Amino acid sequence: QVQLVESGGGVVQPGSSLRLSCVASGFTFSSHAMHWVRQAPGKGLEWVAVISFNGGTKNYADSVKGRFTISRDNSKNTLYLQMNSLRTDDTTIYYCARALTYGQAYLDYWGQGTLVTVSS
Amino acid sequence: DIQMTQSPSTLSASVGDRVTITCRASQSISTWLAWYQQKPGKAPKLLIYKVSSLESGGPSRFSGSGSGTEFTLTISSLQPDDSATYYCQQYNSYPLTFGGGTKVEIK
Repeated sequence: QVQLVESGGGVVQPGSSLRLSCVASGFTFSSHAMHWVRQAPGKGLEWVAVISFNGGTKNYADSVKGRFTISRDNSKNTLYLQMNSLRTDDTTIYYCARALTYGQAYLDYWGQGTLVTVSS
Repeated sequence: DIQMTQSPSTLSASVGDRVTITCRASQSISTWLAWYQQKPGKAPKLLIYKVSSLESGGPSRFSGSGSGTEFTLTISSLQPDDSATYYCQQYNSYPLTFGGGTKVEIK
């Protein structure tokens, strides 16, 4: 069965960096676009970033552009989110999610999420 | 960016009731709309994609309709397990955007 398992969350200070990982199993990871979506506790969903199946195309929300970088290693079935210059408003749960393709971007499987807390 | 507006933000209904949630897009998104269900402490779960296509394994009491800028999610007969928050999402263009959510409570 399809599984997405995020890790790497934690408590960090403003201005610091963190890298999230999402390990995929149960499907052909290299055939699917992958996304990061975040959700502040008790709030709605905010899309963060997407990467195409081969890593050739990426796109970001304006709120993270220039600070976050999405990448993938298809040999390791792993998706990453490198987060730099973290701010207090980046404090949220981060989910990785699978899409059929870069264009067919409905998210059919989600991980359980990893919590990032940015606080001094 | 395309803004997605859901209404109502909260609704309370009885078991067996027909429930409708509305989602409006700030510009036409054709039929590129999905609906998700999220229960407390859990990740969202895809219910419907391309306006009306029910995700595999999804209960048939859920249906979607609409096109262009106005869309609806209907639960034909509300069940206790349907207590959750529902989100619409457009994938017509990037950035992907979600509605603010509708919390469905059981009376």
